[in-house]
Amino acid sequence: EVQLVESGGGLVKPGGSLRLSCEASGFIFNTHSMNWVRQAPGKGLEWVSAISYDSTYIYYGDAVKGRFTISRDNAKSSLYLQMNDLRAEDTAVYYCARAFIVSTGTFVDYWGQGTLVTVSS
Amino acid sequence: VLTQSSSASASLGSSVKLTCTLSSWHSNYIISWHQQQPGKAPRYLMSLEASGSYNKGSGVSGRFSGSSSGADRFLTISNLQFEDEADYYCETWDRDTRRDAFGGGTKLTVL
Repeated sequence: EVQLVESGGGLVKPGGSLRLSCEASGFIFNTHSMNWVRQAPGKGLEWVSAISYDSTYIYYGDAVKGRFTISRDNAKSSLYLQMNDLRAEDTAVYYCARAFIVSTGTFVDYWGQGTLVTVSS
Repeated sequence: VLTQSSSASASLGSSVKLTCTLSSWHSNYIISWHQQQPGKAPRYLMSLEASGSYNKGSGVSGRFSGSSSGADRFLTISNLQFEDEADYYCETWDRDTRRDAFGGGTKLTVL
């Protein structure tokens, strides 16, 4: 059974940093691209960042580029998101999401349970 | 990239068809549908090709099906149950901009 378990969320002051982790199990982690997706309170889903299976390709949404860094450790089946210079608008539940690639495109096919990040003074 | 109506409603036991419209230059893209019940994480329902072929996730009810027409991708839920009351999102990876995209979500109310 595929499982994605996020951790590392919490309350942080504006300008602060936080590192999120996602531990994967139930599939061959080093064969899948992975994403971070967030959801602000009462809002829709917003893609944050993606990383290819071997870390060769990394992409970011405009809202976090230059402040957040995605990484992975395939030996530990883990995905990370280093978040720096946090702002109030970064307050959200952060989800780890697996990408599935087929000949006609790529999509998310599994989600974690999420971890809440609150940025407030 | 992806456009959804903000809300929909239908009666208990009836059927509803939700729409996700791709921008015209992405009309051949595969998408996925996700359900998010109140207070829960999103759940993958299915992937849906431009051809109308779909593949459901593990454990997804047979009441959920997909279809396509041009740039439109549809999610049909039959025999609606109160547990189907949720937000529904479509999603795809935009290989032109190299970003993932989500529709704004459709809030489904079961009357």
